[in-house]
Amino acid sequence: DSGVTQTPKHLITATGQRVTLRCSPRSGDLSVYWYQQSLDQGLQFLIQYYNGEERAKGNILERFSAQQFPDLHSELNLSSLELGDSALYFCASSVDIFPSYEQYFGPGTRLTVT
Amino acid sequence: SQQGEEDPQALSIQEGENATMNCSYKTSINNLQWYRQNSGRGLVHLILIRSNEREKHSGRLRVTLDTSKKSSSLLITASRAADTASYFCATDGQNYGGSQGNLIFGKGTKLSVKP
Repeated sequence: DSGVTQTPKHLITATGQRVTLRCSPRSGDLSVYWYQQSLDQGLQFLIQYYNGEERAKGNILERFSAQQFPDLHSELNLSSLELGDSALYFCASSVDIFPSYEQYFGPGTRLTVT
Repeated sequence: SQQGEEDPQALSIQEGENATMNCSYKTSINNLQWYRQNSGRGLVHLILIRSNEREKHSGRLRVTLDTSKKSSSLLITASRAADTASYFCATDGQNYGGSQGNLIFGKGTKLSVKP
């Protein structure tokens, strides 16, 4: 158990819909990362937050947005969903923003868009 | 876009044998990490090696890093059926389209250890 929690575990929704994925980082970790894992693209970095502020953006679509709240939990919002958005979405946390720290991954949310 | 690339893509061995996986990357790095993923589950951090280190051990794991060749290897000795998983190398995103601490992952090596 990494200490990172993600809800829900599974999500099935229709094209065009909007969903919210939630992540609670490990106690004491200030940095939260979101990753998407799909068969064709592999593991892709989406976005990073540190203590409530956005710090880095990766391959995140404009239809996707995220935020980190004062209690440090984070939410990833996916809108106007397309079939190609079906993937595993992981949240990870680390103590700081620097690359010398390991990241702890949550169990993921499996999103299926039908 | 991928930074690291693991080789081989798949590896099948018998229990007790050693497993070696390789990773190559494209730009300079601050550190390189290896993660394990059991089927469809979250990633588990295995080991981190800094750019000024050449070799690191953790239990049955041995990681080497050759920054001149931009490559790393992960050796699992005396493998067990429970080692069956996908293994990913990840580099920091600082010099590859990212900033700060995000990780850039390779496509992984799928290891199968047969009892």
